Amino acid sequence: GQNIDQPTEMTATEGAIVQINCTYQTSGFNGLFWYQQHAGEAPTFLSYNVLDGLEEKGRFSSFLSRSKGYSYLLLKELQMKDSASYLCAVRRSNYQLIWGAGTKLIIKP
Amino acid sequence: KAGVTQTPRYLIKTRGQQVTLSCSPISGHRSVSWYQQTPGQGLQFLFEYFSETQRNKGNFPGRFSGRQFSNSRSEMNVSTLELGDSALYLCASSLEPGQAAGELFFGEGSRLTVL
Repeated sequence: GQNIDQPTEMTATEGAIVQINCTYQTSGFNGLFWYQQHAGEAPTFLSYNVLDGLEEKGRFSSFLSRSKGYSYLLLKELQMKDSASYLCAVRRSNYQLIWGAGTKLIIKP
Repeated sequence: KAGVTQTPRYLIKTRGQQVTLSCSPISGHRSVSWYQQTPGQGLQFLFEYFSETQRNKGNFPGRFSGRQFSNSRSEMNVSTLELGDSALYLCASSLEPGQAAGELFFGEGSRLTVL
């Protein structure tokens, strides 16, 4: 079946680094997305990986290992505004998106 | 440019009623997808429309339906509402056909409460 796993909730300290993991089992793979969703707001696109390796975009980086069915989102120099849910989504070969339940990230001062 | 607009933002219905939700995509976007979001579950795909045609459909009962108009605006309808239909319904638009051919732009959602 199709399955995406990510931790339900994580807590980190302002200024620190946090890594949010996502593991997946899907039939066919055509890319992995990370989205950020603040409470009561629309999800917004953060990153896209289709090849193995690290994609860096400012304070945020995303890593993919297709052979391991694994990705992570790395957030550096955490700010209070980074408190949000982070959604991992895998695109299958037929272009359908399968979404994880999201990781709620709580940033403490 | 204006983002994805969903109306209404909040609504309360009772069991057995029906509801229609509206989504206006970003200007120039012709693909619209609908998702249901409930606490503890990932986004559940409902359907996708491109050029007024339904391209993909998720695993929801026939009570859930949708359509797209020539101006790319889309509506979804849920008939015979059940308590379990209480959720945030998100609409997303993209430039290209295919549910995730590119980055999705989401609206803020319509929060439906069924009593």
